[in-house]
Amino acid sequence: EDQVTQSPEALRLQEGESSSLNCSYTVSGLRGLFWYRQDPGKGPEFLFTLYSAGEEKEKERLKATLTKKESFLHITAPKPEDSATYLCAVQIDNNDMRFGAGTRLTVKP
Amino acid sequence: DAMVIQNPRYQVTQFGKPVTLSCSQTLNHNVMYWYQQKSSQAPKLLFHYYDKDFNNEADTPDNFQSRRPNTSFCFLDIRSPGLGDAAMYLCATSRAWGDTQYFGPGTRLTVL
Repeated sequence: EDQVTQSPEALRLQEGESSSLNCSYTVSGLRGLFWYRQDPGKGPEFLFTLYSAGEEKEKERLKATLTKKESFLHITAPKPEDSATYLCAVQIDNNDMRFGAGTRLTVKP
Repeated sequence: DAMVIQNPRYQVTQFGKPVTLSCSQTLNHNVMYWYQQKSSQAPKLLFHYYDKDFNNEADTPDNFQSRRPNTSFCFLDIRSPGLGDAAMYLCATSRAWGDTQYFGPGTRLTVL
């Protein structure tokens, strides 16, 4: 069965304390992996798409990487405004999308 | 700005009273999706339209229906809302099936 698992469920960081969020997947065929940011009470905001192992994308303090089994979202020197839930979604062979439950990130000043 | 718009942002209904949520898009995308998201859970796909072709997920309850009268608009009808239907309802669009999905701000549904 196709599964997407995000860890940790929640992460609390001090401002400036770098860390990584994990998205691991077991799917029949990966066509793409998407990262979204979701603020409380709002819709997910698109961040990155990764298509093949070894690919990396960067945006401001965020960097997403992809291997054959998982993706990492690295956050460098986070600020309080980076606090949000980060969702990972995997697109499989039939173009269906499977979402993870997200990692809730809190960055304290 | 091109975007996905959902109305209303907050909807309160009574148990069993039909409710309609709306979504519009100015992106001119072919595909529109409806998701249900409960607290701390992953978004769950209910339906999607590729142009006018309607696709129902196998486990979407019959209580949920959808209409897409034109490219820009899509509606989610909940015929007899139950307490378990209280959730955030997200509309998304993509240029084609399998492309990056862009989400609206969501409608928070409360069932009393």
